[in-house]
Amino acid sequence: ETGVTQSPTHLIKTRGQQVTLRCSSQSGHNTVSWYQQALGQGPQFIFQYYREEENGRGNFPPRFSGLQFPNYSSELNVNALELDDSALYLCASSLEGPNEQFFGPGTRLTVL
Amino acid sequence: AQSVSQHNHHVILSEAASLELGCNYSYGGTVNLFWYVQYPGQHLQLLLKYFSGDPLVKGIKGFEAEFIKSKFSFNLRKPSVQWSDTAEYFCAVIPNQAGTALIFGKGTTLSVSS
Repeated sequence: ETGVTQSPTHLIKTRGQQVTLRCSSQSGHNTVSWYQQALGQGPQFIFQYYREEENGRGNFPPRFSGLQFPNYSSELNVNALELDDSALYLCASSLEGPNEQFFGPGTRLTVL
Repeated sequence: AQSVSQHNHHVILSEAASLELGCNYSYGGTVNLFWYVQYPGQHLQLLLKYFSGDPLVKGIKGFEAEFIKSKFSFNLRKPSVQWSDTAEYFCAVIPNQAGTALIFGKGTTLSVSS
């Protein structure tokens, strides 16, 4: 059973640029959630996708957007990067509903 | 605002000491409760979860947690910690009436000295 994978591992961007992060869900899972983890904080929910539709969103601006593909993999896109977007971005997959989520290793984004 | 609170930011223990990490949440109704652990250099892993039934749940590596509904608490315990338990511990809640996102506490860093 393949776990959740994310790419890239690390990324450095400058303010104003755009970034795309990718996530492959665990086999058999149809739901993907994205979280932002700032240094010294717990992960904060960005949004969730279920069967290619957004299924809930946290308190993040519209420049954070996402996609889910038919194979349940997902992308997180962030436009107009700001310094405060520097964080670890975590992807988690699960079955639909309030179930256990399985996390990937994360993508460390640094915005200069 | 509704939230998940972890009382201890950093806990330092010697090996064989007992551990209790506090977690309180402020959501009403039915909740699903989780403790996740993040070992140095590794990704978040599930320690244990509570959905319903016996409020005392046992997880991996000798950890257990007790759900006390009246206190809105889900404290994590281990009778005797090991050096390998050094990690960051996160309490998380899914407030079932408010979607299926995990709401995390800020985390507790546990340092165990040998």
